[in-house]
Amino acid sequence: KNEVEQSPQNLTAQEGEFITINCSYSVGISALHWLQQHPGGGIVSLFMLSSGKKKHGRLIATINIQEKHSSLHITASHPRDSAVYICALAGGGADGLTFGKGTHLIIQP
Amino acid sequence: GAVVSQHPSWVICKSGTSVKIECRSLDFQATTMFWYRQFPKQSLMLMATSNEGSKATYEQGVEKDKFLINHASLTLSTLTVTSAHPEDSSFYICSASRGANEKLFFGSGTQLSVL
Repeated sequence: KNEVEQSPQNLTAQEGEFITINCSYSVGISALHWLQQHPGGGIVSLFMLSSGKKKHGRLIATINIQEKHSSLHITASHPRDSAVYICALAGGGADGLTFGKGTHLIIQP
Repeated sequence: GAVVSQHPSWVICKSGTSVKIECRSLDFQATTMFWYRQFPKQSLMLMATSNEGSKATYEQGVEKDKFLINHASLTLSTLTVTSAHPEDSSFYICSASRGANEKLFFGSGTQLSVL
């Protein structure tokens, strides 16, 4: 079973700060997802990564397959970025995801 | 982009009743859909994998006779919580993708409260 560790569990920052959320795992994967869950529960898939780096707007996600580590960065953070960010692992095939416990991010104005 | 629709968004029911939750892929066909459960302040947990035209695959500890999954078409999977009890109160959410290792799309979730 793949162990997923996310850090930090909670993060409060000021608007405009650069945010980094980390995810480490123990077993090789086929892909890693970064998800955003808002207070109402809805989940949005931000990125799916199998190697390298992806960027979308102010969000950047990187993955190092050898080190079994991924990071999600938010540049110029904004209060609307406040949410729970979840790292989820895909083992390949049609298996469902294994989820990290999430990082609760609060961006204060 | 692809959209997954989940209905209802919330439901309150009496203990002992059954509740059906629908998950539809609106603009793509999904041979596989996933059902997850999330208790308050806990991480999402995979309950089962729903396969079109065949039996669902349940995760260890999930009772298949209690959580009935039907994937009758390529765009619809349903989760029925049978004889619901207060401990079944949770947030249930589905996801689907166009294929293995494709980006996942999530339904909006269903908050179930069993009185």
